[in-house]
Amino acid sequence: GPKVLQIPSHQIIDMGQMVTLNCDPVSNHLYFYWYKQILGQQMEFLVNFYNGKVMEKSKLFKDQFSVERPDGSYFTLKIQPTALEDSAVYFCASSSRPGGTGQLYFGEGSKLTVL
Amino acid sequence: QQKVQQSPESLIVPEGGMASLNCTSSDRNVDYFWWYRQHSGKSPKMLMSIFSNGEKEEGRFTVHLNKASLHTSLHIRDSQPSDSALYLCAASMTGNTGKLIFGLGTTLQVQP
Repeated sequence: GPKVLQIPSHQIIDMGQMVTLNCDPVSNHLYFYWYKQILGQQMEFLVNFYNGKVMEKSKLFKDQFSVERPDGSYFTLKIQPTALEDSAVYFCASSSRPGGTGQLYFGEGSKLTVL
Repeated sequence: QQKVQQSPESLIVPEGGMASLNCTSSDRNVDYFWWYRQHSGKSPKMLMSIFSNGEKEEGRFTVHLNKASLHTSLHIRDSQPSDSALYLCAASMTGNTGKLIFGLGTTLQVQP
């Protein structure tokens, strides 16, 4: 089936450093999402993105977070500076349809550990 | 309060048995429900979706939806050890930005 690729699969960084998580969405998908999952806790919506713009962001999407997809390359989540509470698995997802009616395809996740 | 509530938290069924999982939304704007399965350390994979009242069956999986009560249930018959995973219910709204709101999940363990 359709695949969403995420790079890196694991990243360990010191608090205060910058990290960029990369996502290669399903070809021809136009709607992109980032979710955060802490072990044993809920999958929580961070942000979604369409046509070069953030459509909606949650309270978890702090000012230190940013997303972009320059010219059809990777869809990225950047955190600068990182904090201890940013340690989690970040899942990228994409869909072909808007408005809550299209299936989301998830990547395998990027596990971020902030020391 | 969770907008999407799932029960039970965890469930153990014998191999070949029936597993029944429940999910309710407290947000009356929701009109689509999704069931995802997440094996440990892996990404969520969609199992089934439903937006009409009634029942939908695909292989060993059956999903029900009662739109009046915003309650959906997933039933897995002839459960297999490979079905052992975290089952996530999610809700979305037509015309919204497309985000899914997830519940906390039900951990299913199928014992051989």
